[in-house]
Amino acid sequence: EAQVTQNPRYLITVTGKKLTVTCSQNMNHEYMSWYRQDPGLGLRQIYYSMNVEVTDKGDVPEGYKVSRKEKRNFPLILESPSPNQTSLYFCASSFAGVVTEAFFGQGTRLTVV
Amino acid sequence: AQSVTQLGSHVSVSEGALVLLRCNYSSSVPPYLFWYVQYPNQGLQLLLKYTTGATLVKGINGFEAEFKKSETSFHLTKPSAHMSDAAEYFCAVSDRGSSASKIIFGSGTRLSIRP
Repeated sequence: EAQVTQNPRYLITVTGKKLTVTCSQNMNHEYMSWYRQDPGLGLRQIYYSMNVEVTDKGDVPEGYKVSRKEKRNFPLILESPSPNQTSLYFCASSFAGVVTEAFFGQGTRLTVV
Repeated sequence: AQSVTQLGSHVSVSEGALVLLRCNYSSSVPPYLFWYVQYPNQGLQLLLKYTTGATLVKGINGFEAEFKKSETSFHLTKPSAHMSDAAEYFCAVSDRGSSASKIIFGSGTRLSIRP
């Protein structure tokens, strides 16, 4: 089954404790991205990757890191989480190109206390 | 710069009534337009998309949307609402000239269905 898998689904952590949210897709998509969803703000792009070893900042990259060492994986790293990073995070993937549909993971609800 | 405006953060309709969710976009070039739906505790899934050709686009679950260039709108409609349509709906735009597959989302409209 074609899917984007995120882990964990729920995470509560403390300020400053490094964490990684994993994302994996099995559709051989070139393009992957991370979004955060906040009430009234819709989805805002954090980082994206056009292919292996190619990443770039989205609209709200501060406080986040990503890597793309393999085509299928695109982890999101918070080196020193802060409470303002409490949010719902989505990973998405698609084939490169403008018209393609993006496939989304189930989401990770992160709470930083 | 591209942007998407969804009018109404919350829409409530009776079961069987017409659903109309409004979306206006701003783009310097003809855009690609999307509607996504998010059911509770789930990710987003594509309802429909407009790329080129026919301006009336049909999607899943009986939804459709019409691209109106003169009004810069892409409103989502469904003739008869069903309880299972309760969800959050996002309009999105992608720059036709972009090579980055970047999609810009609106702030979302929560649809409630009254019995």
